[in-house]
Amino acid sequence: GDSVTQMEGPVTLSEEACLTINCTYTATGYPSLFWYVQYPGEGLQLLLKATKADDKGSNKGFEATYRKETTSFHLEKGSVQVSDSAVYFCALAPSGGGADGLTFGKGTHLIIQP
Amino acid sequence: DAGVTQSPTHLIKTRGQQVTLRCSPKSGHDTVSWYQQALGQGPQFIFQYYEEEERQRGNFPDRFSGHQFPNYSSELNVNALLLGDSALYLCASSLGGVEQFFGPGTRLTVL
Repeated sequence: GDSVTQMEGPVTLSEEACLTINCTYTATGYPSLFWYVQYPGEGLQLLLKATKADDKGSNKGFEATYRKETTSFHLEKGSVQVSDSAVYFCALAPSGGGADGLTFGKGTHLIIQP
Repeated sequence: DAGVTQSPTHLIKTRGQQVTLRCSPKSGHDTVSWYQQALGQGPQFIFQYYEEEERQRGNFPDRFSGHQFPNYSSELNVNALLLGDSALYLCASSLGGVEQFFGPGTRLTVL
């Protein structure tokens, strides 16, 4: 079945550092890929998405590129802020995906220190 | 425009009891999905409802059941609660396509 693997946390960085959170997936066909963010005590918010190979999703300074050749969708940000501290989830929707639930990774807890 | 809303916020039950969780989708959305998020884990897909029918189901036992109403709102029912059912239950809504919007969740504690 489909699966998503993302780097274990917690990841601790200083403010203004560069961020990369690795995400790789296993799926048949051409899934859509997502990054969700979860702040303490809240539900998930969609951060960015990409629906086909080589697409780049971007939002709030975060970027991720859909790499089919490496089955990856790494999350990057050039300069993190304390307010970016949260749990980040990589997820996929199967090919043709509207009828299927999302498959999530286990999440990466990001801690940004001032 | 109200987003996805869920009730109640928190719930405490004892083993063997039954529980009903409720979800109202984002305005204009017709599809509702339910997820279980155990502490420190990613959400796991329970099932999805569209046009008042269960369209797809994840790997959850029959103790988990649901319903969708004509106004697209939905309920998740769990029977014969186990300690392992303690989790955050998330509802997500969408309109046809893939992008799902999540509610804040219901925290269920089973004692």
